[in-house]
Amino acid sequence: NAGVTQTPKFQVLKTGQSMTLQCAQDMNHEYMSWYRQDPGMGLRLIHYSVGAGITDQGEVPNGYNVSRSTTEDFPLRLLSAAPSQTSVYFCASSRPGDNTGELFFGEGSRLTVL
Amino acid sequence: AQKVTQAQTEISVVEKEDVTLDCVYETRDTTYYLFWYKQPPSGELVFLIRRNSFDEQNEISGRYSWNFQKSTSSFNFTITASQVVDSAVYFCALSEALAAGNKLTFGGGTRVLVKP
Repeated sequence: NAGVTQTPKFQVLKTGQSMTLQCAQDMNHEYMSWYRQDPGMGLRLIHYSVGAGITDQGEVPNGYNVSRSTTEDFPLRLLSAAPSQTSVYFCASSRPGDNTGELFFGEGSRLTVL
Repeated sequence: AQKVTQAQTEISVVEKEDVTLDCVYETRDTTYYLFWYKQPPSGELVFLIRRNSFDEQNEISGRYSWNFQKSTSSFNFTITASQVVDSAVYFCALSEALAAGNKLTFGGGTRVLVKP
């Protein structure tokens, strides 16, 4: 059981380049989300999805795009990378109505924008 | 808007000492969940506990214990007889119980360093 899988684990970009962080889960979870982690700020929600075809913005959505064409996948796109997007990105999934409300996180993707 | 504050950025203790991590939250919701996650040096996020706003009972799990006080909007976490393996960053988080998406608002984290 792979859980939540993120790729790549590390990436270095130049300012202005685009890239996609991939996230896949094999637990048939309806809810998926992306967070970024910056020192001293904890994790902040970028975008989230409550099901295939449905996405919404979180606290820090600017500069990021998402789509949810299948239940399993929730890619995060950076259209024109900026140094301020240097961060560690975590994808998470969960079930609606889950009694624990627990999020299952991927291992994280460390992105550096030069 | 929701907010979670972890005032302690870093705590350093010697092995076997107890350590308490403070968490204060703000929310307008009457129904909400509180969480603690652990992030060891390897970087993954490990779920420790969830508490809902209706349940103010303290909880103990091995060397870990949690003190939820709704009157002071606090959800503190104590590690008893700390061990080197407890060295990690610990995050407190909050979510609205009735909102779709299981979205979490995290505190800034407290780094715990346990020295042998």
